[in-house]
Amino acid sequence: DAGITQSPRHKVTETGTPVTLRCHQTENHRYMYWYRQDPGHGLRLIHYSYGVKDTDKGEVSDGYSVSRSKTEDFLLTLESATSSQTSVYFCAIRDSFNSPLHFGNGTRLTVT
Amino acid sequence: QKEVEQNSGPLSVPEGAIASLNCTYSDRGSQSFFWYRQYSGKSPELIMSIYSNGDKEDGRFTAQLNKASQYVSLLIRDSQPSDSATYLCAVTSSGGSNYKLTFGKGTLLTVNP
Repeated sequence: DAGITQSPRHKVTETGTPVTLRCHQTENHRYMYWYRQDPGHGLRLIHYSYGVKDTDKGEVSDGYSVSRSKTEDFLLTLESATSSQTSVYFCAIRDSFNSPLHFGNGTRLTVT
Repeated sequence: QKEVEQNSGPLSVPEGAIASLNCTYSDRGSQSFFWYRQYSGKSPELIMSIYSNGDKEDGRFTAQLNKASQYVSLLIRDSQPSDSATYLCAVTSSGGSNYKLTFGKGTLLTVNP
């Protein structure tokens, strides 16, 4: 999977608790992305990063924050998880803005 | 909101037939187009990239791009049961948001033995 590791792979948490998902890459790619995938909605962009400390919002960013302090790590935080954030979360990387994305294996998050 | 539209399917074809998957997009300035395959419970994997008008072939797969019509398609020749999956079309945004890649909702393909 193009040197991308997501952790954890599965997580169950309660409403109102904070959650952090981690994406780690070994490819030294500049661009990193967080998507969520839900039935009927497809893949939707949450946040992305175009360099260390450079991040921007996607189409479904409410309730999520991100940080990128090193090239290889991109963290997604749910400050106070809600049931609507139950989803499969994918991290992806690319080395230039015209190149394809390569995806990690995903994190299945359940908020009860 | 820039959109990418695909028929949700399911598209069902017999083994050995040609499967045709279609995608339209709204951002006229888009320059990069991708097809991904996603098996149930797995992450999307890249099948094809296409950047200029015309056809691009890779084995049994052919991607076709028509920027004037804002249309991109994927043909799968000699379809196999192992091709049964959801196929996602993805388009890079133009202008200041060209870091973003927008996905269609996917077309579910079933190849029947």
